[in-house]
Amino acid sequence: DAGITQSPRYKITETGRQVTLMCHQTWSHSYMFWYRQDLGHGLRLIYYSAAADITDKGEVPDGYVVSRSKTENFPLTLESATRSQTSVYFCASSESLGQGYYGYTFGSGTRLTVV
Amino acid sequence: AQSVTQLGSHVSVSEGALVLLRCNYSSSVPPYLFWYVQYPNQGLQLLLKYTSAATLVKGINGFEAEFKKSETSFHLTKPSAHMSDAAEYFCAVSGYFGNEKLTFGTGTRLTIIP
Repeated sequence: DAGITQSPRYKITETGRQVTLMCHQTWSHSYMFWYRQDLGHGLRLIYYSAAADITDKGEVPDGYVVSRSKTENFPLTLESATRSQTSVYFCASSESLGQGYYGYTFGSGTRLTVV
Repeated sequence: AQSVTQLGSHVSVSEGALVLLRCNYSSSVPPYLFWYVQYPNQGLQLLLKYTSAATLVKGINGFEAEFKKSETSFHLTKPSAHMSDAAEYFCAVSGYFGNEKLTFGTGTRLTIIP
C-alpha cells in the first residue's frame, strides 16, 4: 500500500528497556520526521532526516536515537525508556523541508506507554 | 524563526453554527501557512495551505482560511458546522523559501454540540 506506515500502533514497555518504533514510506520522499504529541504541547519535533544517512536534531531529541540507512525507513529508538517518554509518536514525510505541495504526510501514530 | 499561536485550546459550537478557529503567526520571512486536522486515533491530514497565490484559501470539507498579513493571522472558518467536524486542528507555518521546517501550534480541539 502506498503511504506512510508506523508500527506498532500500540506499545507498552518497562522503564529502562530499549524500544524501537518503525516508520516506512512509499512516496520516496526525501524528508522524514519524528514528532511526539502530548497534551498541552501539541507536536514537538524529535528528529528529522533530509536523506539516507543524514539526520538532525529537532526540539526534543534527548533520549532518542534515529537512523536512516534506506530512504524509505526511519526508525526511532528509545535507548532506555523513561515514563516521561509516554506519548503518541508520529512519523511524517515530505518532498521538501517546508513547502511540499502536499505539506507533510503523517502516519497513524504509535501510542507508547512506559510503565 | 517562525511560530504560531492558536487561541483557544478548546472550542465548542452548535451543529449548523459558524466555526472559527484562530491562528496567529510570527515569521521573519514571508510565510507558508497550513491547517491540519486530526481525527481521533489518526494522524494529521492537510486541510488547506496558503502559499501566496491567493489570500483566501479553500480546503476540504468546506473549510477555508484567509491570510491577513496586517493582522499576522490565518484563521480557519466553516459556515456551518457538522458533527463530523469534531476533531483537533493544528495551524502550522514554514518559511517561504522552503528551507525551514514546519512549526506547529498547540492545537484546538473542536467539539460540535448536537
